[in-house]
Amino acid sequence: IVLTQSPGTLSLSPGERATLSCRASQSVTSRDLAWYQQKPGQAPRLLIYGASTRATGIPDRFSGSGSGTDFTLTISRLEPEDFAVYYCQQHGDSRAFGGGTKVEIK
Amino acid sequence: EVQLVESGGGLVKPGGSQRLSCVASGFTFSIYSMNWVRQAPGKGLEWVSSVSRNSDYIFYADSVKGRFSISRDNAKNSLYLQMNSLRADDTAVYYCARAPGRGLNYFEDWGQGTLVTVSS
Repeated sequence: IVLTQSPGTLSLSPGERATLSCRASQSVTSRDLAWYQQKPGQAPRLLIYGASTRATGIPDRFSGSGSGTDFTLTISRLEPEDFAVYYCQQHGDSRAFGGGTKVEIK
Repeated sequence: EVQLVESGGGLVKPGGSQRLSCVASGFTFSIYSMNWVRQAPGKGLEWVSSVSRNSDYIFYADSVKGRFSISRDNAKNSLYLQMNSLRADDTAVYYCARAPGRGLNYFEDWGQGTLVTVSS
């Protein structure tokens, strides 16, 4: 499975809504789709698994949705600490990652 | 507190070998799937290899199959990655990550990573 993330870069201001897309080359079974956040110099952090379940300690401004081949990560109101790179991952058999979306301050 | 601490990175010549280690603490190591994920400088994440809790199931990315070998020692709460026939495109930060296993391959916790540089 190949995961394609769009856009490559998203330029937004704090307080705005961010919508990130992840499209799979074939249907993702059982909604096995995760999202991670990575800040410079840090390891990735799990945000969402099972397409829509927030990981422990993740604020509710982060939400995941989608099924089949189209998935979305939404950040309802961007906080300063949310500017980072976000990756999707198919967490079934393939374990493949998408290429990432950078959310930068406008 | 979950802790994953990688070690063993460094500079290695093309064609050489390197062994990475990851020591885990703060959780019951033996019940989790363990994994290696890498990130080349300035690039995205690439899953490398996974080992099930009892080492019954082992998987590799096509890019490392036949060259890398993953193993674990549950008695020592340790994960290993033996890397042979290293190439320049293996240069990356290598992260150790735990997953629930049993088909659930999302990475709940990550180490800080260890840098492997393959260069002459």
